[in-house]
Formats: sequence, C-alpha cells, structure tokens
Amino acid sequence: DAGVTQSPTHLIKTRGQQVTLRCSPKSGHDTVSWYQQALGQGPQFIFQYYEEEERQRGNFPDRFSGHQFPNYSSELNVNALLLGDSALYLCASSFGGSSYNEQFFGPGTRLTVL
Amino acid sequence: AQSVTQPDIHITVSEGASLELRCNYSYGATPYLFWYVQSPGQGLQLLLKYFSGDTLVQGIKGFEAEFKRSQSSFNLRKPSVHWSDAAEYFCAVGGRNNAGNMLTFGGGTRLMVKP
Repeated sequence: DAGVTQSPTHLIKTRGQQVTLRCSPKSGHDTVSWYQQALGQGPQFIFQYYEEEERQRGNFPDRFSGHQFPNYSSELNVNALLLGDSALYLCASSFGGSSYNEQFFGPGTRLTVL
Repeated sequence: AQSVTQPDIHITVSEGASLELRCNYSYGATPYLFWYVQSPGQGLQLLLKYFSGDTLVQGIKGFEAEFKRSQSSFNLRKPSVHWSDAAEYFCAVGGRNNAGNMLTFGGGTRLMVKP
C-alpha cells in the first residue's frame, strides 16, 4: 500500500500564475482533505471532497478550488498566486469523512511563490 | 468556533528525561482530540486520539495523553525521550459530526533532544 501520494514534491511559481497540485488517496479511502501549512505554523484546513463534491470548506478565498475524480484522487487549484500562498500543501485521506476515521497525510507539496 | 493553543513553541529535553507537551482547546462540546508528529520532509503521523471513555489514552512510540475536560486540555506525555523523538508535534481538534472531518490544528511545538 503506497499510502497517500502527492505531486509534485516542489514547485516554484511567480505571482499571478496558477498552480495545480495532485493527490492520490490511500487505497480504500474515499475522502480527501487539503491543508495549507505556512512556515512555522500548524496546518490550516482548506476544504474536503467526498463523492466528488466539496463537503466542507475552511476560511480560504475562492482563488482556491478543487476537484475530486471518480477514482477518489483530487486536485487543488490556486489562481492568481500571491506571495502569501507560499507554503507546504498537505493532502489527507480517510474513509467516510467522519472524524472517527483516521486521516492519513501525504508528504506534501512545497509551493514557493516569487 | 473551535481552536487549539499550544503554549510552548520550542521545548528542549535531555535524552532519557520525561516530556510533557501542552495543548488547550476550545470547542462547544466534547471534541475529538488528536496528537500528530511531523518529522522534517514528512507528512503528519497520528500518535494517538481521544474520542470517549478512559481519559488517559495510549499511543504509538510510547506516548500517552490525558483529556481533562475541566481544564480544556489534552497534554501529551512520554516517560523517557529518545533522540529520534525530535520533531514537531501538533495537537488537533475535530468535530463530532458527519458533515466532514475538518481538523483544527495548534501552532505546534518543536521538540529538541539533547544527548
């Protein structure tokens, strides 16, 4: 079992550009959540996808959007990048979306915006 | 709104010494509580979780945590720290509902271990 995988590992973009990050959940999981972890801070919840729909959303602007595919993999899109979007983006997968079920985290994608 | 506070940003302990990392939470009811560990370049790994029942929970790698409702705390402890425990530790709270399993994390505590 490969666990949660994310791609790419690192990414460098310039202000105003758009970026897409990808996540493949752990085998058997159907729920994917995305978190942003700025340097020296704890992860902040962006949104969660379940059954290909956004089920829960944190306090992030509409520039952050996502998608979940029928195979449960997910993408995070960020438009009009700002310097403040530089962070580690973590994907977590679980089954069923209940807090009772453990979330497994991927290693993250490090995004740098210049 | 739910929130988590980890008062200690950095903690340094000697190898073999005991450890306690503090966590205070704010939540309208009894929450689900978690401790995660993050090593450099790694994702988050779950150490332990509290849902209900016995307020002292055991986790992996010899860690334990105690839920104290009266103090809104969920402190992490280990009786004897190993050099490999050096990492960042995050406390998190989750809601008891089926509308999603969003986790709210604290700011983290960086643990350094002296030989």
